[in-house]
Amino acid sequence: KQEVTQIPAALSVPEGENLVLNCSFTDSAIYNLQWFRQDPGKGLTSLLLIQSSQREQTSGRLNASLDKSSGRSTLYIAASQPGDSATYLCAVRGQAGTALIFGKGTTLSVSS
Amino acid sequence: DTEVTQTPKHLVMGMTNKKSLKCEQHMGHRAMYWYKQKAKKPPELMFVYSYEKLSINESVPSRFSPECPNSSLLNLHLHALQPEDSALYLCASSQVQSTGHGYTFGSGTRLTVV
Repeated sequence: KQEVTQIPAALSVPEGENLVLNCSFTDSAIYNLQWFRQDPGKGLTSLLLIQSSQREQTSGRLNASLDKSSGRSTLYIAASQPGDSATYLCAVRGQAGTALIFGKGTTLSVSS
Repeated sequence: DTEVTQTPKHLVMGMTNKKSLKCEQHMGHRAMYWYKQKAKKPPELMFVYSYEKLSINESVPSRFSPECPNSSLLNLHLHALQPEDSALYLCASSQVQSTGHGYTFGSGTRLTVV
């Protein structure tokens, strides 16, 4: 059974810092991996999708990497801003037609 | 249109009420999902519809009844809920088979059972 773990559970940083969020999964036979952002009481906003054949994806200040063989992904946030404060969720899809399995998330707080 | 629309955004219902949550997408996705999320927890899968057929039912109590009238609509019918069913209910959609496309989530319905 696929399990997804995110470390750390919570992170507080001053504005401007570069930071890394970690995600690990137990079954490397994934279809794709998706990083989401969730603000309190809100829905999920997709940040980046990495296909199983890819190593990384970039969008603005965000960069996500995937090492499928070791079961790891990282989300790198450059020059963090207070508006980045949210919970970040990593989710993997095992194969076509299956549902996303989520990690418990990392709650990020960026202070000005 | 790249959105999943959920209505209502907030719902308060008594334990004897019957209500429905609605979800709509026009991205041509043929898989649609209901997730339940409690505070400070990740979303938990409830139901999956693939090509309008229920394909995954994660042992959800029968007081939750999903319905997929067509490829664009997904409903969740609620009856005789318990206070512990209070949560954020999220709808999502995706392509059935495409590694290059991920899930799109709606903004959720905040359900409170009193």
